[in-house]
Amino acid sequence: DGGITQSPKYLFRKEGQNVTLSCEQNLNHDAMYWYRQDPGQGLRLIYYSQIVNDFQKGDIAEGYSVSREKKESFPLTVTSAQKNPTAFYLCASKGGGNQPQHFGDGTRLSIL
Amino acid sequence: GNSVTQMEGPVTLSEEAFLTINCTYTATGYPSLFWYVQYPGEGLQLLLKATKADDKGSNKGFEATYRKETTSFHLEKGSVQVSDSAVYFCALSDLRYGEYGNKLVFGAGTILRVKS
Repeated sequence: DGGITQSPKYLFRKEGQNVTLSCEQNLNHDAMYWYRQDPGQGLRLIYYSQIVNDFQKGDIAEGYSVSREKKESFPLTVTSAQKNPTAFYLCASKGGGNQPQHFGDGTRLSIL
Repeated sequence: GNSVTQMEGPVTLSEEAFLTINCTYTATGYPSLFWYVQYPGEGLQLLLKATKADDKGSNKGFEATYRKETTSFHLEKGSVQVSDSAVYFCALSDLRYGEYGNKLVFGAGTILRVKS
């Protein structure tokens, strides 16, 4: 079945540590996105990529980094510069035109 | 800029009650409109969409009509079930402008609780 796989489901970060969240899709979508969700708030866009080897900052990119070396993969690194990383992180992908975004099941990141 | 405003929750209903969750938007151009649903601990699932004025999206008994004159996309269901308990997000995507071409703008979400 086609879909988006995020891993791990739960992740813990120590102070000063970088952690990487995985996102893989087999939908053959060009565009991929990373969102952050905090309790009681909507989703906020961190980074997005519309094509391999290209990506743009979203609304809250500080303290995060991404890469897009393959069409299927769009990993997100939460760096030590992100002072409040505890949140639920959602990855999405999208085909062309009016197609909707499809979401993974998310990764919950917590601080040890 | 583009924005989406949803009614605040939580909304608590008894089973078989009528549901309305209000959503209004501000946008330049001609956005597509979406409702997504999120069950506890999961990602978002597309519930329904509408791509132009007067379109009605529908799925699983839920409906929403794209009203350009009132810039609204209210979600309705005639008879809710306990299994409908979730968080509902209204979102827009404007494909007319390159910068926003593939980006979604979300409302804050509305929690729905249905009691048996």
